[in-house]
Amino acid sequence: DSGVTQTPKHLITATGQRVTLRCSPRSGDLSVYWYQQSLDQGLQFLIQYYNGEERAKGNILERFSAQQFPDLHSELNLSSLELGDSALYFCASSPRGDTEAFFGQGTRLTVV
Amino acid sequence: AQKVTQAQTEISVVEKEDVTLDCVYETRDTTYYLFWYKQPPSGELVFLIRRNSFDEQNEISGRYSWNFQKSTSSFNFTITASQVVDSAVYFCASRQLTFGSGTQLTVLP
Repeated sequence: DSGVTQTPKHLITATGQRVTLRCSPRSGDLSVYWYQQSLDQGLQFLIQYYNGEERAKGNILERFSAQQFPDLHSELNLSSLELGDSALYFCASSPRGDTEAFFGQGTRLTVV
Repeated sequence: AQKVTQAQTEISVVEKEDVTLDCVYETRDTTYYLFWYKQPPSGELVFLIRRNSFDEQNEISGRYSWNFQKSTSSFNFTITASQVVDSAVYFCASRQLTFGSGTQLTVLP
């Protein structure tokens, strides 16, 4: 158990809908990362937050947004969902930027 | 921009063989961090090792060892005496932002 909690584990939704994925980092970790893993794109970095502030942005679509709250948990919002958004979404946390990250179990999103 | 290349898509070995996974990185940073992660069939990503650009020595941790060569921008990872439980996808990463495409390792009994 990495100590990073992601909910829900599975999510099935229809095209055009909006979903929110939640992540609770390990106790004491200030940095949260979000990734998307799909069969054809591999593991893609989406966005990083550090102590509530956005620190780095990767290949995150405009339809996606994220935030980190004062208690350090983070949410990833995916809107206007398309079939191609079906993937495994991982959250990871680390004590600070650039140290090793510890991953949650992932949320498997299926868009139908 | 950073880039990580894992040229080996799939590797298959027989149990107890040693296996080396290759990783080549590109970065303009003078200080950087490289990582190896493992993703077993169950799906979770597990941190294995970290290497800082300013570390002087290569290290060994149990059955794992790694070879960091600045001159060739390589960060190779070796599993000694492989076991069936080592079967997984292994990812090399630069900082936490750039992951390689992964190498599927299959260890046969």
